[in-house]
Amino acid sequence: QSALTQPASVSGSPGQSITISCTGTSSDVGGYKYVSWYQQHPGKAPKLMIYEVSNRPSGVSNRFSGSKSGNTASLTISGLQAEDEADYYCSSYTSSSTLVFGTGTKVTVL
Amino acid sequence: EVQLVQSGAEVKKPGESLRISCQGSGYTFTTYWISWVRQMPGKGLEWMGMIDPSDSYTNYSPSFQGHVTISADKSISTAYLQWSSLKASDTAMYYCARFLIHGRNFDYWGQGTLVTVSS
Repeated sequence: QSALTQPASVSGSPGQSITISCTGTSSDVGGYKYVSWYQQHPGKAPKLMIYEVSNRPSGVSNRFSGSKSGNTASLTISGLQAEDEADYYCSSYTSSSTLVFGTGTKVTVL
Repeated sequence: EVQLVQSGAEVKKPGESLRISCQGSGYTFTTYWISWVRQMPGKGLEWMGMIDPSDSYTNYSPSFQGHVTISADKSISTAYLQWSSLKASDTAMYYCARFLIHGRNFDYWGQGTLVTVSS
C-alpha cells in the first residue's frame, strides 16, 4: 500500500487561506468517505482535525474544513494563524481493510 | 477523560526483543480498537496495524506483517507492540491511537514511545 501523496510544504501569511491536497486512488481516497486529517506539532502526538472527509471533532476550530473530489481530498485552513504552523497528514481507509497515511505537509506561516 | 498512556523510552541493541505498552483509561477499553503508528526520525506517519481488545483480533499492514506482534490484555486495559529481534531500522517513535471503526479514524493518541536500537 503506497502512501497517499501530499505536497511537501505549503505556506501562507496570517489571515490567508491555504489548501493541502491528498491524492490517492479509487481503492482508498476515491472509494470511501473515510478520509481524515491530523495536525502534528514538533515533538507532539498527532491530533485529529477532520474525519469522514469534512467533519470536525468537537473543539476543533471552524477555520479547518475538508472536502473530496474523486481520488483527491483537501484540507483548507482559513484565517491562517501562527499556531497553525505544523505538519499535517491525511489518512484513508483502503479496499484491503487497512489504513494508509499521506506523505505529510509542512505548513509554514510567513 | 480518555487517555492513552504509553510506556517509557527504550534503548536496545540489535537482536534484542522488546515489548512496549499502551494503557487506556476513561472509556471502556474493549469497545474501541487500538492501532499502532510508526514515525521514523524526521519522517511521516505509517500505520502498522490494529487490534480489537475484546477478542484480540488483529489486522496488520502488509509492510509490518511478520515483523511485529500486536496484542492486548483487556483485564488491564493495555495493548502491546512487540519485536522478537530488533534492527537498527526499528529506531522510531511509536504511537498508539484509539481507532473508531464507524469513522475509520484515530480520535485519541498516546504520547509516543521512542525506541532507539543501536549497537
